[in-house]
Amino acid sequence: EPEVTQTPSHQVTQMGQEVILRCVPISNHLYFYWYRQILGQKVEFLVSFYNNEISEKSEIFDDQFSVERPDGSNFTLKIRSTKLEDSAMYFCASTEAGTRNTGELFFGEGSRLTVL
Amino acid sequence: AQKVTQAQTEISVVEKEDVTLDCVYETRDTTYYLFWYKQPPSGELVFLIRRNSFDEQNEISGRYSWNFQKSTSSFNFTITASQVVDSAVYFCALSEAWFGNEKLTFGTGTRLTIIP
Repeated sequence: EPEVTQTPSHQVTQMGQEVILRCVPISNHLYFYWYRQILGQKVEFLVSFYNNEISEKSEIFDDQFSVERPDGSNFTLKIRSTKLEDSAMYFCASTEAGTRNTGELFFGEGSRLTVL
Repeated sequence: AQKVTQAQTEISVVEKEDVTLDCVYETRDTTYYLFWYKQPPSGELVFLIRRNSFDEQNEISGRYSWNFQKSTSSFNFTITASQVVDSAVYFCALSEAWFGNEKLTFGTGTRLTIIP
């Protein structure tokens, strides 16, 4: 069964360092997302991406964050200068494009980021 | 603005008991989708169900059932004959139903513990 894969599963970094989280969405999906879950809290939308551009972003997604689809398979989230409060689990997700009958959002297993 | 409320922070029941997880939502959209996700201790998000706003039929899948009541803006989830493997955090979520956008608004989750 096709799945969304994320690397790394866990990354520890020093405050102020740049971090790149990688995701490989399901191959025929065209919409991509990043969500964040601070430990013990709810899952929060960060950004959606379609046709090589951001389609929507939340207030959390400030100038420190960026997303990119550098090739036909990867979808990355970059945090330019990490802060302690960026420590969280980051989930990538993808879905098929096409109709108003929106379906399941396929989540990856998450990348846990710890900022020291 | 959309909002999802899961008032039950934690629930513990003895194995084989039935348990209902509550979800109340707010939205101005007339067309929307409701979801339940399970997050086991391993951390991934497991899709359980999607329901659109025009389909108020209750659904049953094995030991799981869902009760969608548009009049009270609720989408409750019942597990019958609970098992230890059901122990997890359960999230209710809501999305607008427009072209391909799966921006989900999650509730804060209910931690369910099944006591053997």
